[in-house]
Order: sequence, then structure tokens, then C-alpha cells
Amino acid sequence: KAGVTQTPRYLIKTRGQQVTLSCSPISGHRSVSWYQQTPGQGLQFLFEYFSETQRNKGNFPGRFSGRQFSNSRSEMNVSTLELGDSALYLCASSSKTGNYGYTFGSGTRLTVV
Amino acid sequence: AQSVTQLGSHVSVSEGALVLLRCNYSSSVPPYLFWYVQYPNQGLQLLLKYTTGATLVKGINGFEAEFKKSETSFHLTKPSAHMSDAAEYFCAVTLMDSNYQLIWGAGTKLIIKP
Repeated sequence: KAGVTQTPRYLIKTRGQQVTLSCSPISGHRSVSWYQQTPGQGLQFLFEYFSETQRNKGNFPGRFSGRQFSNSRSEMNVSTLELGDSALYLCASSSKTGNYGYTFGSGTRLTVV
Repeated sequence: AQSVTQLGSHVSVSEGALVLLRCNYSSSVPPYLFWYVQYPNQGLQLLLKYTTGATLVKGINGFEAEFKKSETSFHLTKPSAHMSDAAEYFCAVTLMDSNYQLIWGAGTKLIIKP
């Protein structure tokens, strides 16, 4: 079956702009999590959605938001981009709860200039 | 608070040698434990996981890990390194009382010398 699909793969934006990233989970997976990965901070949890409801939230400012649709697809939005938002954004899906392990997408590489 | 410590940000081994990547966690309750691998410019791939049952867990690509509760460790091993094993490896734990949120180690970059 198809894996987790993230679009776009690469993105270049200017400071102050906003960006929306998309994640399509594995068919049947209802949980979608988002992570930010940077060389300095490593993997940092952004939020998790399950059945269209935000279940967990990491320690990020309100500029970072997300949502999940009824078909489990998820989007992440970052407003008023800052240089420090440059990172690899990873999406992961799981069937029910995280103890079964997450399947990750290849990520979206966001560069803010 | 729960945490995960991976000893060594970089580990270098010769091709054919034993691979040992260390992971220790702090938790007051038994966790679920995972090892993920990340190749350059790619997402993370699940190598293996421990939830319950046998403490020695076998994963993909010849890797295995052993859960040692007394040592709060979940070290990753492979008997013989291959050039294709060069990647970054992440240990993670999740707890039922954290709503299964994953807590990640900082990662260990495995370098294979020819």
C-alpha cells in the first residue's frame, strides 16, 4: 500500500510569508503527527491529530497550526515565517495509537530566506 | 519528565565490525521503545520496536535490540556492519500516560569505514 505522502518536497519562502504543508497518511491510518527537524534542535514534536481532533501539542508558538480532514489528510500552516523556521518538516501516521510505531513521510524541506 | 539519551552523536565502525548504538531512557513506568533510521534527505524508517513480551527484538536489515529494564536501556546492535548501514539512528520511547507521544533521542550518526 502507498506510504505517507508529503507535498511539496522542497519549498523556499521569504520571511514574513506563510506556508501550508500537506500530508496524506497511509490508508486507514487515523493518527497524523508533525515534527520539525533541524541540525541544532533535532526532532521536535509539533502536534498530533486523531480523527480531526488535536490530541497532543508540542511547545511551538501559535504561528504553527494544523488541521486534519475527514479523510485523515492533514495540513500544517506556519504564518509570519522566520529564518529559524527553516527545517525538514516530517509527518508520521499510525493506525490507532503510537505504540504500534509510526510511518514517516519523506518530509518537506522548507527554506526561509 | 521522561527523556531519552543516545550516547555518542557519531559512531564510527569498520565494515564487518560489530555495530553498537546506545540508548537509555528515564521512565517510571515500562515504556514502548523504538529505533528508527534516517538516510540522507529522507524520512524516518522504523527499524524495530519493543512493546511487550520477549525483550530481545529483531528488526529489519539485521538489526536487533534488547530491552533491559534494570539498566533502563535499549541498545541497538548488528553483528556485521555494511556500508549501506551508514545513516542516522534515533531511539524513541512512548508511554501510555503521555497519550503515546514519542520522546526522541538526539540521534547517532553511524559512519562505516571501508
